[in-house]
Amino acid sequence: DIVMTQSPDSLAVSLGERATINCKSGQSVLDNSKDKNYLAWYQQKAGQPPKLLIYWASTRASGVPDRFSGSGSETDFTLTISSLQAGDVAVYYCQQYSSFPFTFGQGTKLEIK
Amino acid sequence: QITLEESGPTLVKPTQTLTLTCTFSGFSLSSDGVGVAWVRQPPGKTLEWLALIYSNDEKRYNPSLESRLTITRVTSKDQVLLIMTNMDPVDTGTYYCVHDGPFGEPEGFDFWGQGAMVTVSP
Repeated sequence: DIVMTQSPDSLAVSLGERATINCKSGQSVLDNSKDKNYLAWYQQKAGQPPKLLIYWASTRASGVPDRFSGSGSETDFTLTISSLQAGDVAVYYCQQYSSFPFTFGQGTKLEIK
Repeated sequence: QITLEESGPTLVKPTQTLTLTCTFSGFSLSSDGVGVAWVRQPPGKTLEWLALIYSNDEKRYNPSLESRLTITRVTSKDQVLLIMTNMDPVDTGTYYCVHDGPFGEPEGFDFWGQGAMVTVSP
């Protein structure tokens, strides 16, 4: 199984400031033949199902604000929220879907400072 | 508009078999080159992928639970079933049905049901 490790476990950021969450995979999730990293980011607000934010490591899902961005390749990835808003309070998960079993990180809890 | 909805028992006893139903709309599992997966989440914990069925009827399971899981589709009703045997209290959690696609160039789990909370207790 590919182990996904997120850092930090929790994060407090002031409104309007930048939030950065890291995700490291135990092996590369890059499909060289397609030049795509099979890495997704999800946002889960309290009492709700997860919502897809980013796929292919850096492509925003439909309707996701452009203050959310993803970067990285192979084993090291980052989710950045450029200007934190109150509605961004949630737990964020990374997921690899490069190989079975698909696996998720442990989650990063984002709060307002 | 793609929607998925989970249904099933909220309480099961240890050793019993759980059957969850995912009823979906907005896509066809017979012809659209997509998949439907099940993901669960124990209270306060992270997500765990359980199983996936593709439109070509290919099935994949999490090896840690494979001996207890069956995923199948009911084509005539646009439904996918998840059957989990020998339930244990550690299986307590919310079970999500999710849309996965497109096959061959996947884009993560783009649509999720609201989830079905299952408690395993005597």
